Amino acid sequence: ILNVEQSPQSLHVQEGDSTNFTCSFPSSNFYALHWYRWETAKSPEALFVMTLNGDEKKKGRISATLNTKEGYSYLYIKGSQPEDSATYLCASRRASKIIFGSGTRLSIRP
Amino acid sequence: ETGVTQTPRHLVMGMTNKKSLKCEQHLGHNAMYWYKQSAKKPLELMFVYNFKEQTENNSVPSRFSPECPNSSHLFLHLHTLQPEDSALYLCASSQGTDSNQPQHFGDGTRLSIL
Repeated sequence: ILNVEQSPQSLHVQEGDSTNFTCSFPSSNFYALHWYRWETAKSPEALFVMTLNGDEKKKGRISATLNTKEGYSYLYIKGSQPEDSATYLCASRRASKIIFGSGTRLSIRP
Repeated sequence: ETGVTQTPRHLVMGMTNKKSLKCEQHLGHNAMYWYKQSAKKPLELMFVYNFKEQTENNSVPSRFSPECPNSSHLFLHLHTLQPEDSALYLCASSQGTDSNQPQHFGDGTRLSIL
C-alpha cells in the first residue's frame, strides 16, 4: 500500500451548510477503505468501512461513497453542526497493512 | 468509555530512562495495535498482534519493544529513546485483522523525551 492522501487539509464551514472532502488511495490491490472521526481530546471513532466499488454508506447526516477503480472516497456532511467539528481520517487497509491519510480538519462556525 | 484504556496518559522521560506504556481492551477483541502520531504527520502503524502473535512490525527501531501477554493486554517497552520519539502513542484493538474490521482506539499516551 502506497500513500493515502486527503484533501483539503482543513476546512471552515458555516453551521447549517453541507460539505464534503476527499480521500485518495492506490486503486491497485485494494481491499478496504476506513473512515474515522477524531474529536479533540478524544480517541478516533470508526465511522465507515467500505469494500465494494460504488458502495455508499450513511450514518445520520454523514455519508460516504467509494470508487475503487479510480481510487477515491468522498465523505459528505449534510447540514453541519458544531459537534461535527473534528479531524476526519481515512485509511486504506489490507489485513495488517494499514496506511492512514493526514486527515481533514473540519471547523464549524456557529 | 471507549473500551480501550491506555496508561499513563502523559509521560515525560529522559533519554536514558526505561518506561512502559500499557494498553488494555475490554471488548473481547483478538487483535491489538500500536500507532505513533508525530506532529503534522499521519498516524503511523508500528506493531500488530493477532491472538498474541506479532503479525506486523513496520521497521520500528529496537528501542521500542512490544509485548502482548494475552489478547486483552498490550505493552510498549521504551528504552534509550531519542527526542524525535516524542509523540502521541495510540493503542487500538479489533475483532481480527481482516481488512473489513474497524479499530477501536484508546485515548493515547502523550510522550515527551527530554
